[in-house]
Amino acid sequence: NAGVTQTPKFQVLKTGQSMTLQCAQDMNHNSMYWYRQDPGMGLRLIYYSASEGTTDKGEVPNGYNVSRLNKREFSLRLESAAPSQTSVYFCVAEREGQRTDTQYFGPGTRLTVL
Amino acid sequence: QKEVEQNSGPLSVPEGAIASLNCTYSDRVSQSFFWYRQYSGKSPELIMSIYSNGDKEDGRFTAQLNKASQYVSLLIRDSQPSDSATYLCAVFSQAGTALIFGKGTTLSVSS
Repeated sequence: NAGVTQTPKFQVLKTGQSMTLQCAQDMNHNSMYWYRQDPGMGLRLIYYSASEGTTDKGEVPNGYNVSRLNKREFSLRLESAAPSQTSVYFCVAEREGQRTDTQYFGPGTRLTVL
Repeated sequence: QKEVEQNSGPLSVPEGAIASLNCTYSDRVSQSFFWYRQYSGKSPELIMSIYSNGDKEDGRFTAQLNKASQYVSLLIRDSQPSDSATYLCAVFSQAGTALIFGKGTTLSVSS
């Protein structure tokens, strides 16, 4: 039981390049989230998905797109990377509607945009 | 904008002492409150959750919630060097769709 997995773990991009961060969960949870974490800024929500096929913007969605093609996977795409997107990205899976201690973090993707 | 506020620290305590971490939140209808621990270079891990006013104890950890004052705290008794980490307070509002995190308090426990 791996919980939440993220790939890649590390990535360096040049300004303007594109890439997709992958996230997968094996817990059959409905809700999934993408957060970014920056020094002094804490964790900020980028996008979330309450169920397969649905996505909604969070606090900082600009420059990102997401895709929830199935219950298991939730990907985050940077179409044209910018240095401001240098960050650590966390994917989170949560059992729907419980609002209880059922949020599970992935190990994170450390992205540097030069 | 709903907010969660924490002192950034660092909070320094000697081994064996009680560490007290505090958090305030702005959304009065918040329902669920969480404390996460994050070691450097690692992902956050949930250590405590609390939903009702009062205290909740789990081993060396005690979470305290006061909804009237919009205040939640975490006490760590008998602090150990292994407790040195950043502690994140997080809140779910009644209408919220995701956790809102504070910026975290860095705790340093010296042996």
